[in-house]
Amino acid sequence: DAGVIQSPRHEVTEMGQEVTLRCKPISGHDYLFWYRQTMMRGLELLIYFNNNVPIDDSGMPEDRFSAKMPNASFSTLKIQPSEPRDSAVYFCASSFWGTVGGANVLTFGAGSRLTVL
Amino acid sequence: SQQGEEDPQALSIQEGENATMNCSYKTSINNLQWYRQNSGRGLVHLILIRSNEREKHSGRLRVTLDTSKKSSSLLITASRAADTASYFCATDAAGAQKLVFGQGTRLTINP
Repeated sequence: DAGVIQSPRHEVTEMGQEVTLRCKPISGHDYLFWYRQTMMRGLELLIYFNNNVPIDDSGMPEDRFSAKMPNASFSTLKIQPSEPRDSAVYFCASSFWGTVGGANVLTFGAGSRLTVL
Repeated sequence: SQQGEEDPQALSIQEGENATMNCSYKTSINNLQWYRQNSGRGLVHLILIRSNEREKHSGRLRVTLDTSKKSSSLLITASRAADTASYFCATDAAGAQKLVFGQGTRLTINP
């Protein structure tokens, strides 16, 4: 397996533009997580899915952020409209609950570095 | 917040020395995990310790867990230049599936 695949790796956009980040989890994994990493706030959990269903989106900063998982092999995180404070590295991670009974051991993608000017 | 806190924030040692990092958390947990992040890369899982375990080893890594103090430590023995990275602890609150990460310790191994 190629691991968790994220695209784009780098995105530079202007304030007000729509940004869509994409993630392909590892085949067979039943959990998918979106995290955001900044120097100031560290690694923040935005939302996670179980079997394509959103379970907890309490970390989504505001209504400008939305995430979907239309099937087991694809998820998107959308920011509309984007703002400079959204600049960060966004990570997608997936796991299979049964790998280590009773725990989610995450496999991370390489991340998408977003810069909003 | 359940978020763990690592200590120290940064650590610089000579190659061959041992490196110890600490993590404290606030709520009861099922498991605690340690991850490594090399510069510009995603996090990589290192080791998991369950709440009913006190110590675990994996190669040059040794993890301890003290649930009464809500703390864990990661020891890397005989450090190498390739161990230079940031190290994060992550916890899952009892009954939850999500992982909450600490702020991390930036480890630098000097040759």
